[in-house]
Amino acid sequence: EAQVTQNPRYLITVTGKKLTVTCSQNMNHEYMSWYRQDPGLGLRQIYYSMNVEVTDKGDVPEGYKVSRKEKRNFPLILESPSPNQTSLYFCASSLSRTLNTEAFFGQGTRLTVV
Amino acid sequence: AQTVTQSQPEMSVQEAETVTLSCTYDTSESDYYLFWYKQPPSRQMILVIRQEAYKQQNATENRFSVNFQKAAKSFSLKISDSQLGDAAMYFCAYRRRSGNTPLVFGKGTRLSVIA
Repeated sequence: EAQVTQNPRYLITVTGKKLTVTCSQNMNHEYMSWYRQDPGLGLRQIYYSMNVEVTDKGDVPEGYKVSRKEKRNFPLILESPSPNQTSLYFCASSLSRTLNTEAFFGQGTRLTVV
Repeated sequence: AQTVTQSQPEMSVQEAETVTLSCTYDTSESDYYLFWYKQPPSRQMILVIRQEAYKQQNATENRFSVNFQKAAKSFSLKISDSQLGDAAMYFCAYRRRSGNTPLVFGKGTRLSVIA
């Protein structure tokens, strides 16, 4: 089954404690991205990756890091989480930016930073 | 920069009736894609319908159809014969066809379906 898998789905952590949210897709997609969803703001892109070892900032990259060492994985790293990073996070992938623009989304990760 | 505006934070519809959700966007591009995504309480983001800007014909997927007005930069979603399972947040999104561009989302419209 084609899917994007995020883990964990729920996470409560304390300010300053490094964490990683994993994302994996099994569709051999080139393009992957991370979004955060906040009430009244919709989804905003944090980082994206065009392919292995190619990443770039989205609209709200501050406080986040990503890596793309393998095509299937695109982890989101919060080196020192803060309460304003409490949000719902989505990973998404698509075949490429031009051939197939449908984005497949993971099930979301609800992060709470206290 | 491209922007997407959904002017209706909340809408409601009676079961079996028809409802239209509004979306406008701002772009200087001529070639792009538009989408409607549904987010039910499970939080999953589900693609409802997609429209390619170069196609004049409005996209249709079963009970879901769009009214795409390119000159007016308007992309509304019509849901016919509304069902209880249609209750969700609906997001309009835009992506330019070329270049390293993300999906740009509107802020969403919460749709309630009344039995």
